[in-house]
Amino acid sequence: AQKITQTQPGMFVQEKEAVTLDCTYDTSDPSYGLFWYKQPSSGEMIFLIYQGSYDQQNATEGRYSLNFQKARKSANLVISASQLGDSAMYFCAMRGRNRDDKIIFGKGTRLHILP
Amino acid sequence: GAVVSQHPSRVICKSGTSVKIECRSLDFQATTMFWYRQFPKKSLMLMATSNEGSKATYEQGVEKDKFLINHASLTLSTLTVTSAHPEDSSFYICSARDGRNEKLFFGSGTQLSVL
Repeated sequence: AQKITQTQPGMFVQEKEAVTLDCTYDTSDPSYGLFWYKQPSSGEMIFLIYQGSYDQQNATEGRYSLNFQKARKSANLVISASQLGDSAMYFCAMRGRNRDDKIIFGKGTRLHILP
Repeated sequence: GAVVSQHPSRVICKSGTSVKIECRSLDFQATTMFWYRQFPKKSLMLMATSNEGSKATYEQGVEKDKFLINHASLTLSTLTVTSAHPEDSSFYICSARDGRNEKLFFGSGTQLSVL
């Protein structure tokens, strides 16, 4: 069975600092995909970044990067130069080997950026 | 970027009535759509996977006769909550996978309140 674990229920970070949100996962599939989503108070889910298990390089999307450590089964999200608008709930998610496999989510981390 | 439209955004209904929620991919074809339920300050719980032209696959514990899913076309999936009860009150959110890439896009969600 697949499992996603986010151990930080909440974080407070000073504006302009870098943030690392932790995510560990467990799966028996040799091939899988990892996602990060942002959910502001409005409720919408915003796609941030994707990492395939066989990708050679860590994924990056603007200020977001994914620190993928396959042996440790971790996929931490790094947000550089945090902004007030980054305050939101962040979810780590994973899908199985097939592209149409269901995606499961971690419990999330609420990030608060302080001015 | 790709957009998923979900309607209505909010619905209040009396106990015993049925409510239909629509999820539409606006600029891409989605062979697979997913329906999630989210309780306040909790993670997204997958309810079912909807494939165009075939029956939905429900997660364990989700009543298929209670939550009817129809994926009639490559751009539209609907969730009908039949004979709604107060315990069905929740935030329902759909997602659709863009077949051109690995991205999963979400609708803006529907807040259902059953009186």
